[in-house]
Amino acid sequence: AQSVTQLGSHVSVSEGALVLLRCNYSSSVPPYLFWYVQYPNQGLQLLLKYTSAATLVKGINGFEAEFKKSETSFHLTKPSAHMSDAAEYFCAVRIRLLMNRDDKIIFGKGTRLHILP
Amino acid sequence: DAGVIQSPRHEVTEMGQEVTLRCKPISGHDYLFWYRQTMMRGLELLIYFNNNVPIDDSGMPEDRFSAKMPNASFSTLKIQPSEPRDSAVYFCASSLSGTPQSTDTQYFGPGTRLTVL
Repeated sequence: AQSVTQLGSHVSVSEGALVLLRCNYSSSVPPYLFWYVQYPNQGLQLLLKYTSAATLVKGINGFEAEFKKSETSFHLTKPSAHMSDAAEYFCAVRIRLLMNRDDKIIFGKGTRLHILP
Repeated sequence: DAGVIQSPRHEVTEMGQEVTLRCKPISGHDYLFWYRQTMMRGLELLIYFNNNVPIDDSGMPEDRFSAKMPNASFSTLKIQPSEPRDSAVYFCASSLSGTPQSTDTQYFGPGTRLTVL
């Protein structure tokens, strides 16, 4: 079964510090992986996605994520946190439906990032 | 493009009442997804459509929930009768294609915050 697990429902970092949000996936086939961000009272926006090309993926707002097959991980990082990064972040994996050519995205439960002044 | 449009943004209703949530996908997108987000369960896929046809409704929690897509530019999610445990944020998303060969992104609407008293 394919799934995604985000470690830590809340993460707090100081402004200017490194941001690290953890995501591990389970997939029997090479996965497509995504990170989405949700700002308060808004919908989800795509930060970045991995689609079996380069293992280090750069996204918007200075975020990047590295696909590590040996660790089944896709952790999200940003070198220096900004107050505007406070939001909820969702890791997601695209799965292939059985008996169906279509696929769908399964989301992790989310990690709320708090930025301390 | 205006993006995915959802209405209403907020809905407060009493238990037992019928609730209808509306979604207008991005023009030209042939996939439409309905998600529910709660603190306890995170983000869950309820149902999705391809070219107005429901493909997978296995995420619909109960028969009280129903979704329709009468044309390419409009979809509804209906709850009848509503219950307090249905309180959540409901997101609609659309994408150009959901096939395994595609890496197209899902674009999310702002969500409808439903409160059932």
